[in-house]
Amino acid sequence: EVQMVESGGGLVQPGGSLRLSCAASGFTLSNYAMSWVRQAPGEGLEWVSGISGSGTGTYFADSVKGRFTLSRDNSKNTLYLQMNSLRAEDTAVYYCAKGLGVYSYGIDYWGQGTLVTVSS
Amino acid sequence: EVVLTQSPDFQSVTPKEKVTITCRASQSIGSTLHWYQQKPGQSPKLLIKYASQSISGVPSRFSGSGSGTDFTLTIDSLEAEDAAAYYCHQSSSLPLTFGQGTKVEIK
Repeated sequence: EVQMVESGGGLVQPGGSLRLSCAASGFTLSNYAMSWVRQAPGEGLEWVSGISGSGTGTYFADSVKGRFTLSRDNSKNTLYLQMNSLRAEDTAVYYCAKGLGVYSYGIDYWGQGTLVTVSS
Repeated sequence: EVVLTQSPDFQSVTPKEKVTITCRASQSIGSTLHWYQQKPGQSPKLLIKYASQSISGVPSRFSGSGSGTDFTLTIDSLEAEDAAAYYCHQSSSLPLTFGQGTKVEIK
């Protein structure tokens, strides 16, 4: 059974940092494109970052470029999102999302999400 | 960036009624358009992939059509459990984008 479990969310002050983790099971991360998608309270879905199955490229939305980094530990089958210089507008539920194929970013499975709150 | 525009934003529907949600892309995206259902407090769930391909476990009353720039999600004979927000999503090019969502309420 495909499953992704996110962790690492919480309350952080503006300018602070957090690292989100996405532990995958039921499939091998390196065989699929993966994304992080966020949803601010009461709002729609916003793609944040993605990585191809081959791991040859990481991609970011303009809103987070230069502040967020994406990495993957194949031995742990875990994806990470390092978030620096956090702003109030980064407050959202962050979902880890599995792609349809190694280079296909269309999403077929979503984790349960982890809430990030940026506030003083 | 591909902008996806859904219509309507909100629909109040009687059970057993047919629901049609449209998604228009700002440029041609072939068939790389997917549909999701999200209920309050839950993660989105894939309903239709690549514009019209059905998903195992999803009721057959959900169907999709379209290609290029115009796409449609149809719910035949709406059931009470279908009350949710529905989103379209394109994977033709990065950045991935989503429609703004359509909220379906049961009368």
